[in-house]
Amino acid sequence: EVQLVESGGNLVQPGGSLRLSCVASGFTFSTYAMTWVRQAPGKGLEWVSSISSSGGSTFYPDSVQGRFTISRDNSKNTLHLQMNSLRGDDTALYYCAKSLGGQAGTVDTYDIWGHGTMVTVSS
Amino acid sequence: DIQMTQSPSSLSASVGDRVTISCRASQTLITYLNWYHQKPGKAPRLLIYTASSLQSGVPSRFSGTGSGTDFTLTISSLQPEDFGTYYCQQTYRTPLTFGGGTKVEIK
Repeated sequence: EVQLVESGGNLVQPGGSLRLSCVASGFTFSTYAMTWVRQAPGKGLEWVSSISSSGGSTFYPDSVQGRFTISRDNSKNTLHLQMNSLRGDDTALYYCAKSLGGQAGTVDTYDIWGHGTMVTVSS
Repeated sequence: DIQMTQSPSSLSASVGDRVTISCRASQTLITYLNWYHQKPGKAPRLLIYTASSLQSGVPSRFSGTGSGTDFTLTISSLQPEDFGTYYCQQTYRTPLTFGGGTKVEIK
């Protein structure tokens, strides 16, 4: 069964850091680009970051550029999101998602999603 | 950034009704537009990609049309399990952006 399982979400103070992980199973992880998408409570979806299949290309919106870093370990079928300098508006459920292809960024489509891990930024 | 505007923001329809949801982009996307469906408390599910390609396993009552800046998701005969929120997403330019969502309720 194709599956993505996120972990690492927690309550953290403003300015703090957190590292999210997403373990993939049921498909050849190293073949596909991967993405993080977040959803604030009661709100819509927001793209957070994408990484190509090799890890050589990464993409971020301005809202997280310089604070978040996406990475992957293809030997462990694992995707990571290192989040630093966290702010209240980073509070959200963070989903990892698999792409249809190996290219990240534009012309991308997410066909498999995890159940999400909750990040709460509050003092 | 490309702004995505969905309409209506919510709708209520009966089982068997034909439902259409619109998505308008602030600049051309060619056909780089995806549609997702999210039920409460669940992860989004891919329905349509590149404007009109039906994702494997998605019922044929779902269809997508459009190009350029105007796109439409159609449910030909609404079913009870189709409740939830529908989102469009452009993947033509980064930052990739989603529409605000259309909440569908079953009468």
